[in-house]
Formats: sequence, C-alpha cells, structure tokens
Amino acid sequence: RKEVEQDPGPFNVPEGATVAFNCTYSNSASQSFFWYRQDCRKEPKLLMSVYSSGNEDGRFTAQLNRASQYISLLIRDSKLSDSATYLCVVLSGSARQLTFGSGTQLTVLP
Amino acid sequence: GAGVSQSPSNKVTEKGKDVELRCDPISGHTALYWYRQSLGQGLEFLIYFQGNSAPDKSGLPSDRFSAERTGGSVSTLTIQRTQQEDSAVYLCASSLGGGGQTQYFGPGTRLLVL
Repeated sequence: RKEVEQDPGPFNVPEGATVAFNCTYSNSASQSFFWYRQDCRKEPKLLMSVYSSGNEDGRFTAQLNRASQYISLLIRDSKLSDSATYLCVVLSGSARQLTFGSGTQLTVLP
Repeated sequence: GAGVSQSPSNKVTEKGKDVELRCDPISGHTALYWYRQSLGQGLEFLIYFQGNSAPDKSGLPSDRFSAERTGGSVSTLTIQRTQQEDSAVYLCASSLGGGGQTQYFGPGTRLLVL
C-alpha cells in the first residue's frame, strides 16, 4: 500500500463548480499535512497547510480526519486558473520526510 | 529574491554515460532535497541534506546515484552509467529548516537517456 494515495482523476469540471479531492495516508504517526499544486511541466508549489481543525484560504478549504487518516481539499467557485495537479503531502513522523501523493489532475472547463 | 535554481534545464545523454545535475538552493535554507518525477507520476524522494548532519540517502534507487552538498549550499546529484529508466524530471527543493517546513522547488532538470 502506498504511503499517500490519491484519486488520480482527471476531474473535469465547469467553471464555477465546487470540487473536492480526498487523500488517504497509511502512517498513523504522520504529523503534518499539506496540499501542493503543480502546473503542467512546472515545479510543485505549496498551496496550503492542513490543520487539525480545518482551515480555509479564500475559495480553498482543507480538512483533516485523523481517525480515518484522510485529508480533503475543497475548491469552491472553480476558475480556469485552478486547472493543475493537486498533490497531497504528508510529513511522516519517523523519517521526518515529506511524502508526496501522485496527484489529482483537475481541469476547469469554460 | 532568487529562488531555487537548477542546471541544466534539459539533458539528453546516451545509456551508460554519467551525468551531473546541479541545484542552487535559496540562500540561508539549511535543508535541501532531491526528488525524481517520472511522466504522470508523483514525486519520488531521493535524498535529503539538513545542515551538517549526515544526509538521508534512503530514497536513492541504486548505488549508481549519489549526491553531495558542498559548504551547506550547492548540491550535485550524480547518476553513473545511466539507464533508460533514469529518464525523468529531477527536482530539487530547499526549505528554511527540515521537517515539515515549506519546500520551495526549482524548475527541475529534464533528463532523457537514449
């Protein structure tokens, strides 16, 4: 089983739609969680950290469910510019390494 | 300010040759990471340098891969006797400290082994 698993998609949604991605992680000792965004043929960039209580940044909401070991990212009122691959990232407790999921591809259609 | 830079941006080589990939991290960042990303795949961790500590080499796929970080700054990833399966984008990232601090990625080196 992979340490971090994501639905690869692709998710094709119309502009203005709400879309949600889930991610599961296998190491229950994982301590920190993030969503990174990667545009086509570009490097990954941090989108947002995920806090235990859930957090929001504009149209983006991240949530963490430690009991079920999953993280979610909700994008409201999606824009064309949101089209990218969204990478779920987990800090593994023992190795102190960031483990990246394979990413979920989102395409927002006009 | 200047971000993470990598060179070359593209490298085409013949099977069996050695290649060196360079990473210049953000000034002042003590942590430096190398990852590999194959087409349509996620990031595969290769190696991690943190300050003066011994590097974490647990992700290196074989002994053909090695990396150095000189003076706590520039890093070089070397692949000896390249194979076609080494073809990928090699990404370098740096962060202010280790652990879960935000990683800033360079643009990557696209390696193609013929």
